Amino acid sequence: GDSVTQMEGPVTLSEEAFLTINCTYTATGYPSLFWYVQYPGEGLQLLLKATKADDKGSNKGFEATYRKETTSFHLEKGSVQVSDSAVYFCALSHQAGTALIFGKGTTLSVSS
Amino acid sequence: NAGVTQTPKFQVLKTGQSMTLQCAQDMNHNSMYWYRQDPGMGLRLIYYSASEGTTDKGEVPNGYNVSRLNKREFSLRLESAAPSQTSVYFCASSEAQGSPYEQYFGPGTRLTVT
Repeated sequence: GDSVTQMEGPVTLSEEAFLTINCTYTATGYPSLFWYVQYPGEGLQLLLKATKADDKGSNKGFEATYRKETTSFHLEKGSVQVSDSAVYFCALSHQAGTALIFGKGTTLSVSS
Repeated sequence: NAGVTQTPKFQVLKTGQSMTLQCAQDMNHNSMYWYRQDPGMGLRLIYYSASEGTTDKGEVPNGYNVSRLNKREFSLRLESAAPSQTSVYFCASSEAQGSPYEQYFGPGTRLTVT
């Protein structure tokens, strides 16, 4: 079945450092790919998305590119802030009205 | 526009007690979902409702029942709570068709079963 694998955390960075969180997936066909973020004590919020190969999703300085050849959707940010401290989830979906398949999440902690 | 709302926010139950978690959305979405989040496990689907009047089991349905009361509301019931059901529960909703199938999440219910 379909699955999503994320790098294990926690990831600890200093403010203004470069961030990469790796995500790879196993799926048939061409799923849509997502990154969700969960701030402490809150629900999940959609951070960015991509629907087809070579699409780049971006939001709030974060970027991820849908790479079909490597089945990857790595999350990057050039300069992290303390306010980016959160848990990040990579996810995929094949069609509307069906469940998202999530990775296990990566905790990011940014210190000043 | 409240999005997805969930009640209660926190709950403590004793083993064997029952309770219902409530979820409502105001985005006119057809599909709704219940997930549970456990440390190191990500989110796992309990039940979902692709449209009003239909419900289906997800990955971890045992010990739970659901009701799609109308298009807006989707409740999750624990008939006889067990410590293994200690978790954070999230409700979500989405469109039933069209790309890219993103889901919108509620703030969660933190449940402890002692």
